[in-house]
Amino acid sequence: EDQVTQSPEALRLQEGESSSLNCSYTVSGLRGLFWYRQDPGKGPEFLFTLYSAGEEKEKERLKATLTKKESFLHITAPKPEDSATYLCAVHHEDISNFGNEKLTFGTGTRLTIIP
Amino acid sequence: GAVVSQHPSRVICKSGTSVKIECRSLDFQATTMFWYRQFPKQSLMLMATSNEGSKATYEQGVEKDKFLINHASLTLSTLTVTSAHPEDSSFYICSASPASVAYEQYFGPGTRLTVT
Repeated sequence: EDQVTQSPEALRLQEGESSSLNCSYTVSGLRGLFWYRQDPGKGPEFLFTLYSAGEEKEKERLKATLTKKESFLHITAPKPEDSATYLCAVHHEDISNFGNEKLTFGTGTRLTIIP
Repeated sequence: GAVVSQHPSRVICKSGTSVKIECRSLDFQATTMFWYRQFPKQSLMLMATSNEGSKATYEQGVEKDKFLINHASLTLSTLTVTSAHPEDSSFYICSASPASVAYEQYFGPGTRLTVT
């Protein structure tokens, strides 16, 4: 069964305290992995797309990396405005529907940065 | 770039009435648009996928006759919740993909539907 698991479910950090969020996946035929940020009451905001193991992408204090089984979102010296829920989504083959593809979302990590 | 709008942002309607939500890609042509539903503190639940000019593909368990989706152009998709009931109250989010297979989606700001 296709599965995307994010951990931890919630994370509280002091301002400036770096950490990493994890997205592990068990899917068939990975096509790509996406990271999004979602603020309460708003739609997700696109952050990164990763396509192959070893790939890395950076944007301000965020860096996303990808291996064959998981992706990490590293947050360096976070600020309170980085507080949000971070979602990962995996684009992969749909083995229950041959020839098709699907996107499976993780349940998110709720990040709180304390001033 | 890659901006998606949704209208309205909030709507309150009475039980039994229908509500239409619009989703527009403002600066790109969206081959594929997606509709999601999200409950408080839960992740996104895909309801349906629509390609311009063709019928939407609904996920298992989503009632086609209740949630009508029309993808009339490369920049506009609509979701109509027909005969709404209180259990349809939720946060509905659309997304649009510039390419039919890339699945790189850009999300709208969401619509909060409350059915009284």
